[in-house]
Amino acid sequence: GQQVMQIPQYQHVQEGEDFTTYCNSSTTLSNIQWYKQRPGGHPVFLIQLVKSGEVKKQKRLTFQFGEAKKNSSLHITATQTTDVGTYFCARMDSSYKLIFGSGTRLLVRP
Amino acid sequence: DTGVSQNPRHKITKRGQNVTFRCDPISEHNRLYWYRQTLGQGPEFLTYFQNEAQLEKSRLLSDRFSAERPKGSFSTLEIQRTEQGDSAMYLCASSRVGTNYGYTFGSGTRLTVV
Repeated sequence: GQQVMQIPQYQHVQEGEDFTTYCNSSTTLSNIQWYKQRPGGHPVFLIQLVKSGEVKKQKRLTFQFGEAKKNSSLHITATQTTDVGTYFCARMDSSYKLIFGSGTRLLVRP
Repeated sequence: DTGVSQNPRHKITKRGQNVTFRCDPISEHNRLYWYRQTLGQGPEFLTYFQNEAQLEKSRLLSDRFSAERPKGSFSTLEIQRTEQGDSAMYLCASSRVGTNYGYTFGSGTRLTVV
């Protein structure tokens, strides 16, 4: 199936700086989910976006779904060392299984 | 138990041997998924079950791989005649049926084929 492309592959920031990762698709998405995987851990579900132009917030995390439902972003305000990990977006296909992007690895300098 | 449990956590095996992994999903979840993840990559779909029915298998899943979910509860993933290329983290996840639910992943089984 169609992959979702994530950029950047890596991001290294100073603690307190903001961070954004982008997820892009060549086709319209029915929904997009975001997961966080800590080093040595397993993916943990963060949120799902369904509606065009949807914006959802979880504390310092802001998730957006594009108007055309072909892209999404995750923005972290004032990063902390606890934000370290790899952030994956995933699209749900017609059989309701998730297809994951390759992820953006976030490193935070204390 | 409120999480997805996978056993074993680690498995080292010699090339050519058979291995079997087990996944116990969240009891209320109808769907169970197997994914494989290699270093620096996102999880790759292998197969999934709805209750006891195996609904889809990826082309990644060669005939050396077989998965079962008897009685719609726990699931097993068996790899026969392991190859070095099978070395990866095997992740199990479960979810409710429908489009509005995220997956709950287990901690995975890390397989090393030597």
